[in-house]
Amino acid sequence: GAGVSQSPSNKVTEKGKDVELRCDPISGHTALYWYRQSLGQGLEFLIYFQGNSAPDKSGLPSDRFSAERTGGSVSTLTIQRTQQEDSAVYLCASSFAGVNEQFFGPGTRLTVL
Amino acid sequence: AQSVAQPEDQVNVAEGNPLTVKCTYSVSGNPYLFWYVQYPNRGLQFLLKYITGDNLVKGSYGFEAEFNKSQTSFHLKKPSALVSDSALYFCAVRDPRGTYKYIFGTGTRLKVLA
Repeated sequence: GAGVSQSPSNKVTEKGKDVELRCDPISGHTALYWYRQSLGQGLEFLIYFQGNSAPDKSGLPSDRFSAERTGGSVSTLTIQRTQQEDSAVYLCASSFAGVNEQFFGPGTRLTVL
Repeated sequence: AQSVAQPEDQVNVAEGNPLTVKCTYSVSGNPYLFWYVQYPNRGLQFLLKYITGDNLVKGSYGFEAEFNKSQTSFHLKKPSALVSDSALYFCAVRDPRGTYKYIFGTGTRLKVLA
């Protein structure tokens, strides 16, 4: 299929370790978003990419969180020195530029022990 | 600051009855408004959006929503509910002035009873 894919689907890590989450957007989509979904919470916006640049990083919760996008395609979200409160489902979405529907990936469930 | 509220955690409706899932927002100016649905074990899917124009927006699967500026609401509706409509519904808002940030509500679980 040609949907948004994310890997890994599940990640269990120990507190203090670094993790990398990957997102492969739909080909041709220039806009890419990362969200965090915690139990009982809505989706929390983390960062927005247009091409390889990130004009809006306002949702990154701390400097332990960073993201990059290369070749206008694949994006990685890195969380350094993970904490238990980082446990959540991390969702990636892509869209065409402008105010268009976002196509969401299945998410990565991160558990920090 | 922009915000969105979904006042009901869960809505129960009998199959065949009309359904409404409520959403109110707070944005200075004219908002962009969206509804997404999350079926069990599946990713979020787009239902419909309001950008400008006609206040009544029609979307996928027979859903529609009405933008009401005076009440700052964007309630999701369907004339006749199906059991298969049971899912988690999210309202989202974006302030069109200089931000790309989408704010999502906490979601409303819709349960359609046979």
